[in-house]
Amino acid sequence: EVQLLESGGALVQPGGSLRLSCAASGFTFSSCAMNWVRQAPGTGLEWVSTIGTTGGNIYYADSVQGRFTISRDNSKNTLYLQMNSLRPEDTAIYYCVKRGGATGWGAFDSWGQGTLVTVSS
Amino acid sequence: EIVLTQSPATLSLSPGERATLSCRASQSISNVLAWYQQKPGQAPRLVIYDASNRATGIPARFSGSGSGTDFTLTISSLEPEDSAVYYCQQRDKWPLTFGQGTKVEIK
Repeated sequence: EVQLLESGGALVQPGGSLRLSCAASGFTFSSCAMNWVRQAPGTGLEWVSTIGTTGGNIYYADSVQGRFTISRDNSKNTLYLQMNSLRPEDTAIYYCVKRGGATGWGAFDSWGQGTLVTVSS
Repeated sequence: EIVLTQSPATLSLSPGERATLSCRASQSISNVLAWYQQKPGQAPRLVIYDASNRATGIPARFSGSGSGTDFTLTISSLEPEDSAVYYCQQRDKWPLTFGQGTKVEIK
């Protein structure tokens, strides 16, 4: 069974930093592109970032480009999101999401339960 | 950026009725569109991938169709547990984008 367990969410002041982690199990982590998707309170889903299997292909939404850094450690089956210069509009539940398909770049086929990040003074 | 427009915003139907949800893309995305179901307080769940393929464990009453710019998610006979918000999402071009969601209410 695929399991994705996020951690690291917290209340942080504007301008602050936070590092999210996602521990993965139940599948071959190194074969799947991994992603962060967020959802602000009462709103829809927003893709944040994707990292390829070896970490060589990285993509960001414009809203976080230059402030967030996605990374992965395939030896630890763990995905990370380093978030700097946080803004109130970054307040959201952050989901760790696995991509499926034969190439590992398919649809978002497994989601964690999410971790809440609140940016407020 | 590819914009996905979902309609209607809310669909209110009785159990056993047919639900038809629409997702229109601002440009052609071939068939690389997925549908997700999200119930209150839960993470989203993949329902349909690549426009018409049911994900593992999804009941046969769910079906997807379409290609290019127009896509449809159909729930053939609504069950009470189908009450949720449904999102479409494209993976054809970066940035990956979601529609704004359709809320399905069961009367």
